[in-house]
Amino acid sequence: EAGVAQSPRYKIIEKRQSVAFWCNPISGHATLYWYQQILGQGPKLLIQFQNNGVVDDSQLPKDRFSAERLKGVDSTLKIQPAKLEDSAVYLCASSFTSGKVAKNIQYFGAGTRLSVL
Amino acid sequence: AQSVSQHNHHVILSEAASLELGCNYSYGGTVNLFWYVQYPGQHLQLLLKYFSGDPLVKGIKGFEAEFIKSKFSFNLRKPSVQWSDTAEYFCAVREDSNYQLIWGAGTKLIIKP
Repeated sequence: EAGVAQSPRYKIIEKRQSVAFWCNPISGHATLYWYQQILGQGPKLLIQFQNNGVVDDSQLPKDRFSAERLKGVDSTLKIQPAKLEDSAVYLCASSFTSGKVAKNIQYFGAGTRLSVL
Repeated sequence: AQSVSQHNHHVILSEAASLELGCNYSYGGTVNLFWYVQYPGQHLQLLLKYFSGDPLVKGIKGFEAEFIKSKFSFNLRKPSVQWSDTAEYFCAVREDSNYQLIWGAGTKLIIKP
């Protein structure tokens, strides 16, 4: 079974530039998550999709971050304009949605390491 | 707000030593508990999970964890570590009725050969 695919693996940009990350979840997984992981911390959920609808984006800085999952499969996360504090690893995860929330295991991609200079 | 604490940010052990990594959470209701591991250069992967039933959970690679409800803890253990266990370990907790995982800050484990 193919895992969660993310690209690029690394990105270096200057502050105020824009950047986009791409994620392809495991086939059949309806739920997709974007996390931000700052060095020395655990992942922080930015946004969660169920198919192409947003379930939770309460921690997404909406003035500069946006995400979409138009066809309910692939997703992109964009930052515009980037700030120094956006330097982090951006993780995408997906899970198979069943009737019981408790059974939803999240599978992670390798992440995109963003450095903002 | 719910929080997850991992008490040790860095642990260094010699091969064959026993391991215990602490994880405590703050939510008082029914929870699902997870340990994820991230080997150097690799993605996060599930090590073990607790949903209900036997509070002693066995995972991959000889790891186990014990859920102690009265202590709000889910400590990870391994009786004899190997050099290949060098990795970062994350504890995560989810309220039973909620999708969102709350993560600890992680523990970096280094095993000296």
